[in-house]
Amino acid sequence: DTEVTQTPKHLVMGMTNKKSLKCEQHMGHRAMYWYKQKAKKPPELMFVYSYEKLSINESVPSRFSPECPNSSLLNLHLHALQPEDSALYLCASSQPPLGQGVPTDTQYFGPGTRLTVL
Amino acid sequence: KQEVTQIPAALSVPEGENLVLNCSFTDSAIYNLQWFRQDPGKGLTSLLLIQSSQREQTSGRLNASLDKSSGRSTLYIAASQPGDSATYLCAASSGTYKYIFGTGTRLKVLA
Repeated sequence: DTEVTQTPKHLVMGMTNKKSLKCEQHMGHRAMYWYKQKAKKPPELMFVYSYEKLSINESVPSRFSPECPNSSLLNLHLHALQPEDSALYLCASSQPPLGQGVPTDTQYFGPGTRLTVL
Repeated sequence: KQEVTQIPAALSVPEGENLVLNCSFTDSAIYNLQWFRQDPGKGLTSLLLIQSSQREQTSGRLNASLDKSSGRSTLYIAASQPGDSATYLCAASSGTYKYIFGTGTRLKVLA
């Protein structure tokens, strides 16, 4: 099974709402990623978790709060978002390198959550 | 800072043509390079991954090459089909977990 699932597929929220995006994979991957993609632009890395610990935060505003409750699940909690945060949010997973080695494994992406902030 | 660009930005070809998509990166110290396709409004599908020690990878009608010294990768698609229509993205790994994506090439294959 090489599938990464994301829920919901679409989300519309107001600027005062609190919502969460969910991502799940059962490939045994221990690295999971959140990307943000605006229309006609490439994906931009937001966060990376490795072995359930936050490894990379690309200076993302605190209104985005990631969480990795276990090796299969990744959440992105949203609070007080702005209209410019409207985008496609993509989750991905891969097998992290052994020790200090370089990543050699493919990244597998989910279908994304289309977020609209009103 | 690594920058990745793709040329052309858009390409329209008749069915059956062989075509080449280009990807350039500014920092040759990459770990690996991955090619993806993305259908409109969808997630990314991995096509090929080339490790820094490799020169090329092949999968079916696709062949990707990597020349680190010149900062270039190409994706060759043989005998293109309408189903190949999508946006093609390359991504260079410049550190553990950090992939920098290119600007993409929107491909349309006409029946």
